[in-house]
Amino acid sequence: EPEVTQTPSHQVTQMGQEVILRCVPISNHLYFYWYRQILGQKVEFLVSFYNNEISEKSEIFDDQFSVERPDGSNFTLKIRSTKLEDSAMYFCASRPVGLRDIQYFGAGTRLSVL
Amino acid sequence: EDKVVQSPLSLVVHEGDTVTLNCSYEVTNFRSLLWYKQEKKAPTFLFMLTSSGIEKKSGRLSSILDKKELFSILNITATQTGDSAVYLCARSIQGAQKLVFGQGTRLTINP
Repeated sequence: EPEVTQTPSHQVTQMGQEVILRCVPISNHLYFYWYRQILGQKVEFLVSFYNNEISEKSEIFDDQFSVERPDGSNFTLKIRSTKLEDSAMYFCASRPVGLRDIQYFGAGTRLSVL
Repeated sequence: EDKVVQSPLSLVVHEGDTVTLNCSYEVTNFRSLLWYKQEKKAPTFLFMLTSSGIEKKSGRLSSILDKKELFSILNITATQTGDSAVYLCARSIQGAQKLVFGQGTRLTINP
């Protein structure tokens, strides 16, 4: 069964460093999303991406964050200068055209900022 | 307000019991309500509900939406240890892409 793949599963970085989290969405999906879940808290929406541009973003998604679909299969989330409070599980999700609202999630990347 | 509230936050039962998980939501711009199961890996989709009173069923799991009272329930009958997980409720919003999640219910099934 097709699935959303995220790498790495765990990323440890120093405060102030840049990190890139990678996702391979399901191949025929056209809508892509990033969410994060701080330990013990709710899953929170960060950004949605369609047709090579951001279609919606939350207040969390400030200038430190960016997304890119560099090669037609990967979808990346970049955090330019990580802060301690960026430590969280980051989930990528995708959905096809037509199946509105049903988003398929990857297993997540646990980001630890030291 | 996009708030989604789940209850209980945690539930421990014995194998074979039936459980009911609750999810209430704000009405503003409601489009659909979704249930996901989150084990140690990816949240996996269970159900999407858009119409009131129509039960969705998959094996021992079922769910229903009440748009008048603004809540949904997820029922699991004859629970098994493999049902142990965090169950997430989320709503979608008219004119938006995002899902808004509740805090989840951690279900533990003891043998």
